[in-house]
Amino acid sequence: GIQVEQSPPDLILQEGANSTLRCNFSDSVNNLQWFHQNPWGQLINLFYIPSGTKQNGRLSATTVATERYSLLYISSSQTTDSGVYFCAVSNDYKLSFGAGTTVTVRA
Amino acid sequence: NAGVTQTPKFQVLKTGQSMTLQCAQDMNHEYMSWYRQDPGMGLRLIHYSVGAGITDQGEVPNGYNVSRSTTEDFPLRLLSAAPSQTSVYFCASSYTTGANSPLHFGNGTRLTVT
Repeated sequence: GIQVEQSPPDLILQEGANSTLRCNFSDSVNNLQWFHQNPWGQLINLFYIPSGTKQNGRLSATTVATERYSLLYISSSQTTDSGVYFCAVSNDYKLSFGAGTTVTVRA
Repeated sequence: NAGVTQTPKFQVLKTGQSMTLQCAQDMNHEYMSWYRQDPGMGLRLIHYSVGAGITDQGEVPNGYNVSRSTTEDFPLRLLSAAPSQTSVYFCASSYTTGANSPLHFGNGTRLTVT
């Protein structure tokens, strides 16, 4: 399957700070999604973004498919942004997940 | 819509016991899948289905069976539980596997095998 690497593995932020999470993948993809797993374990879909740029409130994402990476931007972070952020990719029916970035936002 | 519903939320099994994790979705999604989540390893695909009557193996299928007799339901069966199957299991669905079809997850089942 496609190899997915996420960085950094851990991120500690002060409330109000901005941050960038990165996802590198080893092959061309036609499906790339970002998820947030909250401290209660729920997985929420943030973006479906195999290419281009999207924004949703304080979150935005950019995927450069030709260079095989995607970036997730968190602006003006809040404590509710804490959790694990996963990138997942596919070029068939099998979505492969990275190991995630654990984000802790301190008040 | 209830979305993706998984039952039970928690389960403890003894080695060798069998059980079925239930998953149902009410969004008329074609694609359904099962993942397991272990610490530090992200989510790994167990089995998936692209429609009723069609299933296929994912990355870690050994020890698990699935069936898809209806569009709504996609149960995961553990035939003879082993301690290595202790994990959190997530069911997920999407409208298709095509463009702009985000994956929706259930709330998970935490399974412990002793």
